[in-house]
Amino acid sequence: GAVVSQHPSRVICKSGTSVKIECRSLDFQATTMFWYRQFPKQSLMLMATSNEGSKATYEQGVEKDKFLINHASLTLSTLTVTSAHPEDSSFYICSASEGVIYNEQFFGPGTRLTVL
Amino acid sequence: DAKTTQPPSMDCAEGRAANLPCNHSTISGNEYVYWYRQIHSQGPQYIIHGLKNNETNEMASLIITEDRKSSTLILPHATLRDTAVYYCIASSGGGADGLTFGKGTHLIIQP
Repeated sequence: GAVVSQHPSRVICKSGTSVKIECRSLDFQATTMFWYRQFPKQSLMLMATSNEGSKATYEQGVEKDKFLINHASLTLSTLTVTSAHPEDSSFYICSASEGVIYNEQFFGPGTRLTVL
Repeated sequence: DAKTTQPPSMDCAEGRAANLPCNHSTISGNEYVYWYRQIHSQGPQYIIHGLKNNETNEMASLIITEDRKSSTLILPHATLRDTAVYYCIASSGGGADGLTFGKGTHLIIQP
């Protein structure tokens, strides 16, 4: 399958700081990228969908001013958690696809964010 | 996305076939059945998907009932590395829409 990378794999930051997470599709052009969040012992929850060159679409309850998403190229999307608080501590996972209905998504390895 | 129902956990002996069931009785005609799995602390891994016909790839086989109300994922020769949470998802969006993950089935392969 196609390869999606995320960086960093782990990050620890102080409350009030901002953290940027990168998601890259390494061997295909990702028209669409998705950001999910997973709290301990829970399932993945979709946060937002981003299409290259367009503004991201956020799921209900996800603050777009807190979770800034940029999808400036067909191989890179970034998620910035602004003014992070301990409750933002979670496992953040991106996925990428060629944007075609009925095709699969390829997931990154995830980023473990811990806010102190 | 149609709701899917999976058993919360299953055990399987190493080397045997693991058969994971999924119920999706309200699936609509344009929704595919996708299977992903998540090994602890990693991102989900795509396994297989299908619409009506049975599908097979190098990882698994997918058997969909004729009425499409349920399906079974088959791992033909389970290994310890197949221990993971397996998610069955019904989606019409596939690569264009975000996926709705349920609680999945925690498959434990026993040595």
